[in-house]
Amino acid sequence: DAGVIQSPRHEVTEMGQEVTLRCKPISGHDYLFWYRQTMMRGLELLIYFNNNVPIDDSGMPEDRFSAKMPNASFSTLKIQPSEPRDSAVYFCASSFHGGAYEQYFGPGTRLTVT
Amino acid sequence: AQRVTQPEKLLSVFKGAPVELKCNYSYSGSPELFWYVQYSRQRLQLLLRHISRESIKGFTADLNKGETSFHLKKPFAQEEDSAMYYCALESGSRLTFGEGTQLTVNP
Repeated sequence: DAGVIQSPRHEVTEMGQEVTLRCKPISGHDYLFWYRQTMMRGLELLIYFNNNVPIDDSGMPEDRFSAKMPNASFSTLKIQPSEPRDSAVYFCASSFHGGAYEQYFGPGTRLTVT
Repeated sequence: AQRVTQPEKLLSVFKGAPVELKCNYSYSGSPELFWYVQYSRQRLQLLLRHISRESIKGFTADLNKGETSFHLKKPFAQEEDSAMYYCALESGSRLTFGEGTQLTVNP
């Protein structure tokens, strides 16, 4: 298993543009998490899904951010319109049963908004 | 609400010296705590969890409910321990991470 797969690995875009980040969780995992990592705030949970259903999106910064999970093997995080303060590394993670069980992280997408 | 605090953003020690990475938490329930580590150019991965009471790569962490702490310790640091370390608290099905501590072990 290749583990959690994220694409693209790097994204550079101009302010105002739409950005879509993609994630493929580990097969059989029923929880999927989206995190944002910055130097100032560390690792923040944005949203998580259980069996493709969004459970908690309280970490999503504002309406410009949206996430979907149309099936068990694919999720997207979209930012529209993007702003320079969205520049960060975005991680996707998946786990079997969630919570106290180990979360397996993807390699991350480094987003730069100019 | 749950909260995890790692007071040191940067920590530098010499090889062979003891190292302690501090983690404090606030949580009204019974805490489940973890340490995750991110080595250079590698993915974030689980290092250890308190319920397992295990020692991984020479690291241990003891939950102190009185002090609401879960400090990570190693008696003799190695250069390969240089990495970013995150303390995390589980509540429900989610993890709350601290801000992280960048550990550098100098030769």
